[in-house]
Amino acid sequence: GAVVSQHPSRVICKSGTSVKIECRSLDFQATTMFWYRQFPKQSLMLMATSNEGSKATYEQGVEKDKFLINHASLTLSTLTVTSAHPEDSSFYICSARGTGGKNIQYFGAGTRLSVL
Amino acid sequence: GIQVEQSPPDLILQEGANSTLRCNFSDSVNNLQWFHQNPWGQLINLFYIPSGTKQNGRLSATTVATERYSLLYISSSQTTDSGVYFCAVWVDSSYKLIFGSGTRLLVRP
Repeated sequence: GAVVSQHPSRVICKSGTSVKIECRSLDFQATTMFWYRQFPKQSLMLMATSNEGSKATYEQGVEKDKFLINHASLTLSTLTVTSAHPEDSSFYICSARGTGGKNIQYFGAGTRLSVL
Repeated sequence: GIQVEQSPPDLILQEGANSTLRCNFSDSVNNLQWFHQNPWGQLINLFYIPSGTKQNGRLSATTVATERYSLLYISSSQTTDSGVYFCAVWVDSSYKLIFGSGTRLLVRP
């Protein structure tokens, strides 16, 4: 199956710093990528939809100035958590949607963010 | 919006046992995927199954779209099957994958 690479897998940072997470589709082009957030023992919640070459679409309640998304190419989307605070600590997962045919979504391995 | 409910929320099995996980959804969907989230958080695609029945080894899935449910069967469970199983539905009009709350499975040796 298709591979989605997400880095870093884990990051620990001080409050107030910014953290960038990368999501790459390795063997297919993804015009659309998605960013999810997952709290412990909960399901995945969609944060935003990222389209190549255009502005991201954010879900209700997600601060676009806090979570900056850039989708500069058909294989790369980045999520930057700006001025991170302890409440931003969570598991962030990206996903890329295949094109044509089945349009299956493939997921990265996730990034565990801990803000001290 | 569409609601996706999974049952049971938690399941404990002895190794070798069989189980059935259920996913109900409240409206018509364009496709449905089953995932296994392993203890490290990685989501693994199990099935893309908008309708019909598919099998892959000890796992099989059936979706009855007209009745708005899907079932995931696990036979001869192994400890490596432990983790959380999610179903997620896609609706073209909303252009998003909506996840159920998951079934947390623990298989004991």
